[in-house]
Amino acid sequence: EVQLVESGGGLVQPGGSLRLSCSASGFTFSGYGMNWVRQAPGKGLEWVSYITSTSTIYYADSVKGRFTISRDNAKNSLYLQMNSLRDEDTAVYYCARRRGKAPNLRFDYWGQGTLVTVSS
Amino acid sequence: DIQMTQSPSSLSASIGDRVTITCQASQDISNYLNWYQQKPGKAPKLLIYDASNLETGVPSRFSGSGSGTDFTFTISSLQPEDIATYYCQQYDNLPPYTFGQGTKLEIK
Repeated sequence: EVQLVESGGGLVQPGGSLRLSCSASGFTFSGYGMNWVRQAPGKGLEWVSYITSTSTIYYADSVKGRFTISRDNAKNSLYLQMNSLRDEDTAVYYCARRRGKAPNLRFDYWGQGTLVTVSS
Repeated sequence: DIQMTQSPSSLSASIGDRVTITCQASQDISNYLNWYQQKPGKAPKLLIYDASNLETGVPSRFSGSGSGTDFTFTISSLQPEDIATYYCQQYDNLPPYTFGQGTKLEIK
């Protein structure tokens, strides 16, 4: 059974840093691209970042230069290092697996999410 | 970046009704569109991929159609468990993978 479990969320002050983790199981992690998607309280979904199976990386403009996505295939884990956090980064952060042969894709499995609150 | 305009933003319907949600892309995205369902406090769930393909295990009352810039998501007969917010997502070529604003579906 495919499982994605996020951790690392919490309360952080503006300008602070936080590192999120996503632990994957039930599939060959190294063979899949992975994403981070966030959802501010009461708002819609916002794609944040994508790392391919070969570690090509993409970011949304809203986080470029502040967030860093990475993966450790030996640990079946995905990470999101978040620096220079702002109030508007407050959200539930989900990791999601990419499935589909290029150019097609879909996010077929999602974690339960981890809440990041940026506040003084 | 490609913008997605989803409508309506909210919808009230009765059990058994046919429900339709639309999504319009700001440029041609072929069939590069997915639909997700999100229930309160839960992660999104994939329902439809590549505009019209039903994800495994998803009831057949859900369907999707369209290509280019205009897409439609339909529930043929609304059930109580379908109460949720629905999102379209485009994935043309490279990121960003933009989501629509969401449609909150309620029971009348």
